[in-house]
Amino acid sequence: KNEVEQSPQNLTAQEGEFITINCSYSVGISALHWLQQHPGGGIVSLFMLSSGKKKHGRLIATINIQEKHSSLHITASHPRDSAVYICAVRTSGSRLTFGEGTQLTVNP
Amino acid sequence: NAGVTQTPKFRILKIGQSMTLQCTQDMNHNYMYWYRQDPGMGLKLIYYSVGAGITDKGEVPNGYNVSRSTTEDFPLRLELAAPSQTSVYFCASSLAGNTEAFFGQGTRLTVV
Repeated sequence: KNEVEQSPQNLTAQEGEFITINCSYSVGISALHWLQQHPGGGIVSLFMLSSGKKKHGRLIATINIQEKHSSLHITASHPRDSAVYICAVRTSGSRLTFGEGTQLTVNP
Repeated sequence: NAGVTQTPKFRILKIGQSMTLQCTQDMNHNYMYWYRQDPGMGLKLIYYSVGAGITDKGEVPNGYNVSRSTTEDFPLRLELAAPSQTSVYFCASSLAGNTEAFFGQGTRLTVV
């Protein structure tokens, strides 16, 4: 079993829908990252959080340390949000452990 | 601001050839990392560096070597390329071990 599990693996939505991507982890962490990988392949950091909630535009990330769970929400989704969303946790030192990613497709 | 720059973007190697993937960052970050991304798998850490002159192995270091002679550059060397090294390689950097990571655009390598 992977230390970081994401669900769903694939998600298709209609433009305007509210989207939730989940991340569960089984180890103690110091921080959790949400990353976005576009079809061109580049990876961009969206959030880094260790407690509570962060918001940036239409994106919201939450984390529950006790339940070892994080969610990434996208409000009013748009086709340009189509990408792979990756959860990664920082365990010991500077190392990150990555989930397999969630492929999101938003149709117009 | 260029951020993290990787070259080349694409490369095809024959089995047994060697090559160096270049990575440079202009943010004066201490930490640099090399990851590989295989289809359906999460990124795996190959090597990392916490500063010039210091490198350490990650999860999947076999078949690779790195050096960190300057703060800016962190090249990844493949010796005797094998089909199992076909992958997409990402270089990343961060100011410290617990800060946001910045990624390069990736290098798609095929070994035939």
